[in-house]
Amino acid sequence: SSELTQDPAVSVALGQTVKITCQGDSLRYYSTSWFQQRPGQAPVVVAFGKNYRPSGISDRFSASNSGNTASLTITEAQAEDEADYYCNSRDSSGDGVVFGGGTRLTVL
Amino acid sequence: QVHLQESGPGLVRPAETLSLTCTVSGGSIGSYYWSWIRQPPGKGPEWIGYIYYRGGTNYNPSLSSRVSMSVDVSMSQFSLAVGSVTTADTAVYYCARSNRGRGLNAFDIWGQGTVVAVSS
Repeated sequence: SSELTQDPAVSVALGQTVKITCQGDSLRYYSTSWFQQRPGQAPVVVAFGKNYRPSGISDRFSASNSGNTASLTITEAQAEDEADYYCNSRDSSGDGVVFGGGTRLTVL
Repeated sequence: QVHLQESGPGLVRPAETLSLTCTVSGGSIGSYYWSWIRQPPGKGPEWIGYIYYRGGTNYNPSLSSRVSMSVDVSMSQFSLAVGSVTTADTAVYYCARSNRGRGLNAFDIWGQGTVVAVSS
């Protein structure tokens, strides 16, 4: 079982804001990365560390962290944002990497 | 831009060894950590382990007894071997890059993935 917990599914109306969360004890100590995965494609990192975005990722994506909970906020949700979103972090030992179970985002 | 390409058999028999190679092009293999990550059908990603370009490794404890990784800097390749496979090892296998600056878990470049099925 995953050490990081995500809601299995979240929906958002087109143009609205949605927050996807990730919970786990290791998040108190280690940074979180967020990945977007569309069907049949490899995951793509959309945020990492203290709200850093790789070049080419929309500024509609932002990350935050509080205690044992990390969040990915998507503003002005677009149809193209519909995908699976995964968080990850270091595991409780600090040596390995663990992924959350994923959140499927539906844009209505 | 850096590109990763996985290669290897798409079908492996139970109890045999799964072997994959990832070729790095468009950039240096140096100064980075190179991971293998797999994703079973309909499930989330699972980190298998990483190898540093100098050869140091770290494996997922749940797989460490069956996993080994190696790197060939001259060929810009790194490899994965998973022994004694079962049908539970059926997955899409990805190679990915990270570094300490962004975080070992901030995989910024991924290969396209290769499907490996374990079946007799």
